[in-house]
Amino acid sequence: LAKTTQPISMDSYEGQEVNITCSHNNIATNDYITWYQQFPSQGPRFIIQGYKTKVTNEVASLFIPADRKSSTLSLPRVSLSDTAVYYCLVGDRGSTLGRLYFGRGTQLTVWP
Amino acid sequence: EAQVTQNPRYLITVTGKKLTVTCSQNMNHEYMSWYRQDPGLGLRQIYYSMNVEVTDKGDVPEGYKVSRKEKRNFPLILESPSPNQTSLYFCASSSRDRGGGNTIYFGEGSWLTVV
Repeated sequence: LAKTTQPISMDSYEGQEVNITCSHNNIATNDYITWYQQFPSQGPRFIIQGYKTKVTNEVASLFIPADRKSSTLSLPRVSLSDTAVYYCLVGDRGSTLGRLYFGRGTQLTVWP
Repeated sequence: EAQVTQNPRYLITVTGKKLTVTCSQNMNHEYMSWYRQDPGLGLRQIYYSMNVEVTDKGDVPEGYKVSRKEKRNFPLILESPSPNQTSLYFCASSSRDRGGGNTIYFGEGSWLTVV
């Protein structure tokens, strides 16, 4: 099971770019890297997913180096509403899809 | 609308009184799972199910049971709840996407207090 390591917390100001890095040294060949966002008392929701290099959607970018042992979620020009916990997730795709490790996530606080 | 529905959303119960938290999804997903979330501990997986009649333990299965008799439903059963099971519980479902990845959909959560 590929576990992940993320910073416990980060602070930023409105309008800045935020980069959250996740370490996943034991990532398997078939694993995808997925990031989720969670607001208080709500279920996590999908932000972005990637396998290698760079992926971009309307809310974020995901950078994955060639060795895939880490990944960086980039949030451009954050606002107060981006204050949330962000989870990096690497699924166990050896023989099952289901065994997943979310960890504690990164609490991002955006200040005015 | 794609949904994962949990019930009840809020419950206060007493130690030892059996309870069931229901979970239903309308996306025809094969995979379903239960998580609990406690302050400072993040999301921890309790049980997961790869498909009907297939279930397996996650990180913290002690004190819980699950069943998957139908594809859409995955109830979480606490046979004899104890105060250390006071937590916020999330049900989730997913299916492998065409491109090989997968997106997990979460329910709104169930606040459970055991006194």
